[in-house]
Amino acid sequence: DGGITQSPKYLFRKEGQNVTLSCEQNLNHDAMYWYRQDPGQGLRLIYYSQIVNDFQKGDIAEGYSVSREKKESFPLTVTSAQKNPTAFYLCASSRQIQETQYFGPGTRLLVL
Amino acid sequence: SQQGEEDPQALSIQEGENATMNCSYKTSINNLQWYRQNSGRGLVHLILIRSNEREKHSGRLRVTLDTSKKSSSLLITASRAADTASYFCATDLYNFNKFYFGSGTKLNVKP
Repeated sequence: DGGITQSPKYLFRKEGQNVTLSCEQNLNHDAMYWYRQDPGQGLRLIYYSQIVNDFQKGDIAEGYSVSREKKESFPLTVTSAQKNPTAFYLCASSRQIQETQYFGPGTRLLVL
Repeated sequence: SQQGEEDPQALSIQEGENATMNCSYKTSINNLQWYRQNSGRGLVHLILIRSNEREKHSGRLRVTLDTSKKSSSLLITASRAADTASYFCATDLYNFNKFYFGSGTKLNVKP
């Protein structure tokens, strides 16, 4: 899992609630990414950031928001607008965009 | 539809045998990467192969890339039970800052 940490390992969300997933890296990487993985599926890109204070939507950004105020941190908020949030969420970072990505251990989000 | 897709979806072999997985993609790429994921864990990077390379090795892993056929293969030689995992290929799109992951090949190596 390299120098990327994600917390919590499991997260429970009540209907109508916003929840925030944490991602921190100490690899001094410029680029960071958030992916969603559904059972038996590949990864789908939610948001990515090439540099501090900049981020771009991926393929499934609706119902999610991010911030990149520090190089080390890229938190993901799952808003109440995301109607089907149950999934495994993976954060990754790379030295620069399009280079090898290093993944965190993931956060499993469940809806109560 | 997916940019990169692995084949087969599942593969079961005996320890010591070789395992071959394939990845096909649709558009021009800068590079292609292979990752491994153990159940419920994050992905671990295995190999990156650039579009101007045809073959790369890393230990028991061999990756080939055929840009004319838009396909890549991952060969694991002398497989071990510890190789049991899902294997994903990831392709970027030329001039786009995104990676696309396929649905993966689930490899089971029986001891």
